[in-house]
Amino acid sequence: QQQVKQSPQSLIVQKGGISIINCAYENTAFDYFPWYQQFPGKGPALLIAIRPDVSEKKEGRFTISFNKSAKQFSLHIMDSQPGDSATYFCAASITGSARQLTFGSGTQLTVLP
Amino acid sequence: DADVTQTPRNRITKTGKRIMLECSQTKGHDRMYWYRQDPGLGLRLIYYSFDVKDINKGEISDGYSVSRQAQAKFSLSLESAIPNQTALYFCATSESIAGVGETQYFGPGTRLLVL
Repeated sequence: QQQVKQSPQSLIVQKGGISIINCAYENTAFDYFPWYQQFPGKGPALLIAIRPDVSEKKEGRFTISFNKSAKQFSLHIMDSQPGDSATYFCAASITGSARQLTFGSGTQLTVLP
Repeated sequence: DADVTQTPRNRITKTGKRIMLECSQTKGHDRMYWYRQDPGLGLRLIYYSFDVKDINKGEISDGYSVSRQAQAKFSLSLESAIPNQTALYFCATSESIAGVGETQYFGPGTRLLVL
């Protein structure tokens, strides 16, 4: 049972373009939505996260947009760079419970120079 | 990644063999996890542990077992390896920050091939 659906599976963007990765969740009890970035040969690392009390969070070129009513959230990478080429995972969890992070299936992003 | 180490980094084994993947952390976190990563399936939780005496099954625990030898050490065993256990395995630790959420810190991964 996949509780967090992520799309697209792969994405190719030109340098300077905007990369957009989407996730949808089913469990309305989720209240924490992080994005993890994974470079080849490395483990995933936290990139940015949002809680549902805000609709947008921005850190540098990375922005999370959150739509609680639609149960969707997305990662936007502005001015995409070749160094952003990585696999991105969205995730969701319930704060303060024994429930663990539920990850999306991942998006492999390639930014062409 | 240096705070969470995994050994070995790569392993080739044969069907039916027992193998152990080891994880150590210096972050001082109580929570530790084992995931496997397969293309198109993301990260799936195998086992997790909130402290030395608390071990829990994840969504895909069949065919795996774990041991939490100390706060800093969490090992994953494949009792009798089979080819569909070929995957990339990650250990992770976490801390829960009040009002923010849980951040997980991943090791560099172990690439396992079962022939």
